[in-house]
Amino acid sequence: SAVISQKPSRDICQRGTSLTIQCQVDSQVTMMFWYRQQPGQSLTLIATANQGSEATYESGFVIDKFPISRPNLTFSTLTVSNMSPEDSSIYLCSVRTGGATQPQHFGDGTRLSIL
Amino acid sequence: AQKITQTQPGMFVQEKEAVTLDCTYDTSDPSYGLFWYKQPSSGEMIFLIYQGSYDQQNATEGRYSLNFQKARKSANLVISASQLGDSAMYFCAMREPSGGYQKVTFGTGTKLQVIP
Repeated sequence: SAVISQKPSRDICQRGTSLTIQCQVDSQVTMMFWYRQQPGQSLTLIATANQGSEATYESGFVIDKFPISRPNLTFSTLTVSNMSPEDSSIYLCSVRTGGATQPQHFGDGTRLSIL
Repeated sequence: AQKITQTQPGMFVQEKEAVTLDCTYDTSDPSYGLFWYKQPSSGEMIFLIYQGSYDQQNATEGRYSLNFQKARKSANLVISASQLGDSAMYFCAMREPSGGYQKVTFGTGTKLQVIP
């Protein structure tokens, strides 16, 4: 399995500002995933980030709001832009190491609160 | 339609007893995988067990077993000999091909509380 480090672990932000979340993996991985977990809800996939290509966004998520960078095989960032209270969530980075039978592993998440 | 359905928002179980958490899924693809994750109150997602659509036997990992009934499209998690530390949210998830990627969809979760 992979060790995934997310920064920051939590933050409180003012509405209208932006925050960049970092995800560092201890091994090279092809695909990295960003999820959102709103309070008391399940996980929703925001986008899939492959190194060297544009991220693929799920329905309801757009690049202007959630720009993603993937500069190499061990690192990715997710920016939450122009934040509003509705963006208050846990944001989780996830990777899969190995084939389709392998589970996705998750970072500890970033707890984001917007005032 | 929901891809993954967990019909039990909350469950209680007595310590040392077994408990079954329900999960049904919907897919038309013959190749898929099913996962269970545990999320304690601290928030991290812990992988518990995996079942592949072509696996002939039910998956087991220690006190966790997956009751896979393919025809009924169900993948229930069985926790034997419950412990207080098992109190957490449990999510069922399915991986299936989607537009060239292997996409994982999560159910709404079941909150399990183990009673001393």
